[in-house]
Amino acid sequence: QKEVEQDPGPLSVPEGAIVSLNCTYSNSAFQYFMWYRQYSRKGPELLMYTYSSGNKEDGRFTAQVDKSSKYISLFIRDSQPSDSATYLCAMASGTYKYIFGTGTRLKVLA
Amino acid sequence: EAGVAQSPRYKIIEKRQSVAFWCNPISGHATLYWYQQILGQGPKLLIQFQNNGVVDDSQLPKDRFSAERLKGVDSTLKIQPAKLEDSAVYLCASSLERGAFFGQGTRLTVV
Repeated sequence: QKEVEQDPGPLSVPEGAIVSLNCTYSNSAFQYFMWYRQYSRKGPELLMYTYSSGNKEDGRFTAQVDKSSKYISLFIRDSQPSDSATYLCAMASGTYKYIFGTGTRLKVLA
Repeated sequence: EAGVAQSPRYKIIEKRQSVAFWCNPISGHATLYWYQQILGQGPKLLIQFQNNGVVDDSQLPKDRFSAERLKGVDSTLKIQPAKLEDSAVYLCASSLERGAFFGQGTRLTVV
């Protein structure tokens, strides 16, 4: 079993839709949770960083962490064609060794 | 604030040749990472440095890969000899705890 599981997609949604991206994990030592966006031929870009269970909002993005279920989510409101990218979840324990999911390809259709 | 710098951006080599990648992290970031990203997959950690000491290299194929971080700043990753399956993007990242920040990566093609 992989430490971090993420559905690779692809996920296609119409412009303006709410997007929900999810990851599950097996290592209960993980305490830091991140979401990255990666455009084609670019490095991953850090979108959200959370430490504890609960919700964190930044503009159109909301990150949600449920440690009891070992489940994290990223919601994108009012999705735009420019949001089309691969979204990677990542998590780490106290050693800051970041483990990534496989990434979900998202396409927002105009 | 300048980001993580990597060079070269692209490299094509023949199998069994050697190659080296260079990374300059964000100023002041003590932790530096090298990741390998194969097409369609998430980044896989190869090695993690804290200043110039190795924290984790458990997934580094040490028979062919080596990495160093001199003076706790710049880092180089070397592959010798390269295999076809080493074709991937090699990403360098640096961190000051709240998430890692990535460079653009070096796209390696082994033919």
